[in-house]
Amino acid sequence: NAGVTQTPKFRVLKTGQSMTLLCAQDMNHEYMYWYRQDPGMGLRLIHYSVGEGTTAKGEVPDGYNVSRLKKQNFLLGLESAAPSQTSVYFCASSYISGGAGNEQFFGPGTRLTVL
Amino acid sequence: TQLLEQSPQFLSIQEGENLTVYCNSSSVFSSLQWYRQEPGEGPVLLVTVVTGGEVKKLKRLTFQFGDARKDSSLHITAAQPGDTGLYLCAHTGNQFYFGTGTSLTVIP
Repeated sequence: NAGVTQTPKFRVLKTGQSMTLLCAQDMNHEYMYWYRQDPGMGLRLIHYSVGEGTTAKGEVPDGYNVSRLKKQNFLLGLESAAPSQTSVYFCASSYISGGAGNEQFFGPGTRLTVL
Repeated sequence: TQLLEQSPQFLSIQEGENLTVYCNSSSVFSSLQWYRQEPGEGPVLLVTVVTGGEVKKLKRLTFQFGDARKDSSLHITAAQPGDTGLYLCAHTGNQFYFGTGTSLTVIP
């Protein structure tokens, strides 16, 4: 099993360009998440999904869109990239959300630089 | 406003030393998790604590959940270079909130 995979691993964009980050999981998890990680800020939740066809906003959703057309895939889109979106992006999945004993499985991250 | 505050933010120690890092909040949690993140990787779950006052041990790592379930600590005994990484506490609820992290460097 590959667990959670993310593509691409690195990307450099110019301000105003668009791109899509792909996350895939092979653990049949219902819940999937997108986070961004910035120095001194920890991980902040951008959007999440509680199942195929559903999405919801997290703590920092502005400037991002997501889609969950298939259970195993969760896409994060940037329609018009800004330098403030320079960050490391992590995708995660879990069997359930909340409660004791739940565990999130993370991908290796995508390092995005917006010039 | 950060829901989970971790301290210290950075810690550099010599191999063999002991250390404690903290995770604090003004909110009460049903449970807390600790993750470790190595450079270039995603976080990996170490432990979940669910009961106030609970102590869990994972080899040289000891995790404690505060009696009031507002705080948690991680104590490492005889730190080794392999312990180097970013330690994150997280709140498990309807969403996941992560702390600001403690970056630990263990010098051989």
